[in-house]
Amino acid sequence: KQEVTQIPAALSVPEGENLVLNCSFTDSAIYNLQWFRQDPGKGLTSLLLIQSSQREQTSGRLNASLDKSSGRSTLYIAASQPGDSATYLCATAGTASKLTFGTGTRLQVTL
Amino acid sequence: SAVISQKPSRDICQRGTSLTIQCQVDSQVTMMFWYRQQPGQSLTLIATANQGSEATYESGFVIDKFPISRPNLTFSTLTVSNMSPEDSSIYLCSVDSSGGYGYTFGSGTRLTVV
Repeated sequence: KQEVTQIPAALSVPEGENLVLNCSFTDSAIYNLQWFRQDPGKGLTSLLLIQSSQREQTSGRLNASLDKSSGRSTLYIAASQPGDSATYLCATAGTASKLTFGTGTRLQVTL
Repeated sequence: SAVISQKPSRDICQRGTSLTIQCQVDSQVTMMFWYRQQPGQSLTLIATANQGSEATYESGFVIDKFPISRPNLTFSTLTVSNMSPEDSSIYLCSVDSSGGYGYTFGSGTRLTVV
């Protein structure tokens, strides 16, 4: 059974800092890995999707990497802004198109 | 990517009653997924809904408690039956968008059972 863990559970940084969120998974037989953002009490917004054959994806200030063999992914956020404050979730897609979600990292970017 | 309209966005319900949550997708999709997010927790898959067949439920979830309908390729409902305070959660529907966009989620239904 796939298990997905995210470290750290919570993070507070001053505005302008670069930061890295970590995601690890136990079963490397994944089809893809997706990073989401969730604002309090809201649904999920997709940030980046990395297919199993890819090493990284970039969108604006966000860069996600994937190392399937070691069961790890990172989300790099450059020049953080207060609007980036949210919970970030990673999820792996396995058989039958099922997603397994990580525990989430709660990010607070302070002025 | 697909766009999902989910209703209601939130509700406060009395214990013992039922609530039906609706999700409408702007394109035809084969599978729709229903998730639960308990307070302070991550998302857990409840069931997968295919059009024309019964939903497939994950371990710990049963049809009598969470009946699902999937009448066509763009619509699905999840009912939370005989509710108790432990059912207070955010419920979300999701589809696998075509074109390599990954999974898209509805805006969620925040349910509070009193």
